[in-house]
Amino acid sequence: GAVVSQHPSWVICKSGTSVKIECRSLDFQATTMFWYRQFPKQSLMLMATSNEGSKATYEQGVEKDKFLINHASLTLSTLTVTSAHPEDSSFYICSARQGTGTEAFFGQGTRLTVV
Amino acid sequence: LAKTTQPISMDSYEGQEVNITCSHNNIATNDYITWYQQFPSQGPRFIIQGYKTKVTNEVASLFIPADRKSSTLSLPRVSLSDTAVYYCFAGAAGNKLTFGGGTRVLVKP
Repeated sequence: GAVVSQHPSWVICKSGTSVKIECRSLDFQATTMFWYRQFPKQSLMLMATSNEGSKATYEQGVEKDKFLINHASLTLSTLTVTSAHPEDSSFYICSARQGTGTEAFFGQGTRLTVV
Repeated sequence: LAKTTQPISMDSYEGQEVNITCSHNNIATNDYITWYQQFPSQGPRFIIQGYKTKVTNEVASLFIPADRKSSTLSLPRVSLSDTAVYYCFAGAAGNKLTFGGGTRVLVKP
């Protein structure tokens, strides 16, 4: 199956700093990428959808100036958590879909801890 | 994109068959049904996808009745390593990939 690589797997940062998470599709072109956050024992919450070369579409309640998403190429999307606070600590997951395909492939997830 | 409803949790024992049913009453003609599996602290992974009738792969089977308003994921002879959360999704290409609560399956020895 298709592979999506997400880095880093975990990161600890200080309050007020920014953190960038990368999501790469290794063997296919990801026309659409999705970013999620997940709290313990809860479902994945969709944060935003990005199409290559376009601005991301954010879900209601997600601050686009705080969670910057860039999808500049068909194999790379990044999520930058700006001015991180402890409440931003969570598990962030990306997924990618190719063209008109209906399957999505997920990254391994990134555990962000803000101290 | 159809709203899905699944049981919150299910318990089973090693070697048993586990069947998880997902309701998607307002499924559209173009929607496919896809199931994903998620282990703790990992991203979900694709298990199986179908449109109608029955689909089987090396991991699971997916049963979809003629009206397509529900689907059942069947895991044959589960082992401890099948303990995970299972999510169903009913949507078409181009739909947002949103998830419901999923079903937490616990396999006991």
